[in-house]
Amino acid sequence: EAQVTQNPRYLITVTGKKLTVTCSQNMNHEYMSWYRQDPGLGLRQIYYSMNVEVTDKGDVPEGYKVSRKEKRNFPLILESPSPNQTSLYFCASRGNGGFGEKLFFGSGTQLSVL
Amino acid sequence: GNSVTQMEGPVTLSEEAFLTINCTYTATGYPSLFWYVQYPGEGLQLLLKATKADDKGSNKGFEATYRKETTSFHLEKGSVQVSDSAVYFCARNSGTYKYIFGTGTRLKVLA
Repeated sequence: EAQVTQNPRYLITVTGKKLTVTCSQNMNHEYMSWYRQDPGLGLRQIYYSMNVEVTDKGDVPEGYKVSRKEKRNFPLILESPSPNQTSLYFCASRGNGGFGEKLFFGSGTQLSVL
Repeated sequence: GNSVTQMEGPVTLSEEAFLTINCTYTATGYPSLFWYVQYPGEGLQLLLKATKADDKGSNKGFEATYRKETTSFHLEKGSVQVSDSAVYFCARNSGTYKYIFGTGTRLKVLA
């Protein structure tokens, strides 16, 4: 089954403790992306990757890092989380036909930073 | 600038009522337009899309038409069901790799 898998589903942590949210897709997609969802703000793009070893900033990249060492994986790294990063995070991948293709989303990671 | 504006929710309807959720966009050029739906506890999934002016996207009884002259992509359904209760997001691409989403509209359908 074609899918985007994120882990963990829920995460509670404390300020400053480094964490990684994993994302994996099994569709051989070149493009992957991370979003955060906040009430009243919708989804905002954090980072995206056009292919292995190629990443770029979205609209809200501050406080986040990403890496793309393999095509299927695109982890999101918070090196020193802060309470304003408490949010619902989604990973997505896109078919290789360009920007008109649909995004496939993971089930989300609810992060709470205390 | 580049933005997507959709109507505030929540929208509460009775079963079999007609649904309209408004969406307008600003853009230079002609983006692709999308409606995504998010059911409780799940990620977003594509509902329908349109990639050029006057295209109509449709799926599961939902429709939206890409209107260049009014820069709109309103979502409609003739008869909603309880199972349509969800959050609906309008979105557009911004260039090749970026996407802009609206703030989402929560729909609640009562039996």
